[in-house]
Amino acid sequence: EPEVTQTPSHQVTQMGQEVILRCVPISNHLYFYWYRQILGQKVEFLVSFYNNEISEKSEIFDDQFSVERPDGSNFTLKIRSTKLEDSAMYFCASSVAPHTPTNTEAFFGQGTRLTVV
Amino acid sequence: AQTVTQSQPEMSVQEAETVTLSCTYDTSESDYYLFWYKQPPSRQMILVIRQEAYKQQNATENRFSVNFQKAAKSFSLKISDSQLGDAAMYFCAVSQETSGSRLTFGEGTQLTVNP
Repeated sequence: EPEVTQTPSHQVTQMGQEVILRCVPISNHLYFYWYRQILGQKVEFLVSFYNNEISEKSEIFDDQFSVERPDGSNFTLKIRSTKLEDSAMYFCASSVAPHTPTNTEAFFGQGTRLTVV
Repeated sequence: AQTVTQSQPEMSVQEAETVTLSCTYDTSESDYYLFWYKQPPSRQMILVIRQEAYKQQNATENRFSVNFQKAAKSFSLKISDSQLGDAAMYFCAVSQETSGSRLTFGEGTQLTVNP
């Protein structure tokens, strides 16, 4: 069964450092997403990406964040200068084009736990 | 803006019994989709069941079923014949076609299954 894969599973970084989280979405999916979940809190939307550009972003997704699809298979989230409050589980997800009646669910990866020290 | 509310932070059920998890939502859209996701201790998000708002029939998936009350904006999840493996955090979520399938999640309900 196809799945979304994320690497690494756990990343520890020093405050102020840049970090890149990687994701390989399901191959025939066209929409890609990043969500985050701070420990004990709800899952929050960060950004959606379609046709090589951001289609929507939340207020959390400020100038410190960027996304890229560098090679047609990977989808990355970069945090330019990490802060302590960026510590969270980051989930990548993908879905087929949303305007298809029967295929609107997002499939999630297993997450990357980011710890900023 | 969409909002999702899960008023039960924790629930418990005896193995083989039935439990219902509550969810209410608010959206201004007429076309939207509702989901229940399960998050076990591994923290991966696993889709349990989905419901299209335009369908009146409640979705079922084996031991999982929903009670979708569109007018009341309520979307509860019923788990029948609960198993130890059902223990997890359950999140209710809503998405709108016009938002590119962006999911808005509730706070979650931690389900404990007692042997």
